Amino acid sequence: DSGVTQTPKHLITATGQRVTLRCSPRSGDLSVYWYQQSLDQGLQFLIHYYNGEERAKGNILERFSAQQFPDLHSELNLSSLELGDSALYFCASSVMSDPNTGELFFGEGSRLTVL
Amino acid sequence: GENVEQHPSTLSVQEGDSAVIKCTYSDSASNYFPWYKQELGKRPQLIIDIRSNVGEKKDQRIAVTLNKTAKHFSLHITETQPEDSAVYFCAASSNYGQNFVFGPGTRLSVLP
Repeated sequence: DSGVTQTPKHLITATGQRVTLRCSPRSGDLSVYWYQQSLDQGLQFLIHYYNGEERAKGNILERFSAQQFPDLHSELNLSSLELGDSALYFCASSVMSDPNTGELFFGEGSRLTVL
Repeated sequence: GENVEQHPSTLSVQEGDSAVIKCTYSDSASNYFPWYKQELGKRPQLIIDIRSNVGEKKDQRIAVTLNKTAKHFSLHITETQPEDSAVYFCAASSNYGQNFVFGPGTRLSVLP
C-alpha cells in the first residue's frame, strides 16, 4: 500500500459526460501528479500541483482540469468525454515540490471507460 | 522539453539470463533518473534511481548505469526470475523541471 488513495477505482460513463476523479496523497506529501495511461501505453504526464498551486502542465486537454484543495487532496475533472479518454488515470504524490528529490508514490489508479 | 526514448519495447529472456533496457534523454540539464516497475494491473513502483553525480548504482540483482556525455542510462537485471516479468519505465527530471518525463516502457517477459 503506497498510502495514496484514489477514487473511484472503476468508472463507466457515456460520451459527452463529465466525471471527477479524486486523489488523497500520502500523509505529509505536498505534491500531487496526475498521469494518464491508455491501453498498453506509457505514462502521460497531465499536471502537477504543489501545496495547492499548479506547478507544471503537460499534455492535458482543455476539456480536463484539476485542482488541489487546502487539505491537499486533488481532483481531476474530465468533461465532454470522448471514447479516446478511456484510460487508467494515476495520481502520484511526493513530499517536495521538486520531482527529482525522490520517489513518486502512485495510487492504484482510476479506470475510466467511456462508452 | 525533455524527451525520453526507451528500447526495446518488448524483451523476452529465459529465467536466469540477464536483461538490459536502455533509455536516452534529450535535456542535458536532467539530473535524476528513476526506474519504475509496473506489474500487470498494478501501480508503478520505484525500483532504483540514479543521480547525475553517480555513474553506476546497484541493488542486489538490479543495477543502473548512466552516461551523461551520451545522455543515456540503462537498467540491468541479472539472474532474472519469473516475478521480474512486468513493464519497466525509465524517467528523467531536472532541477528546474516540475515533472518526471517517462519513457514509453519495456514489457519484460521472463520465460521459465
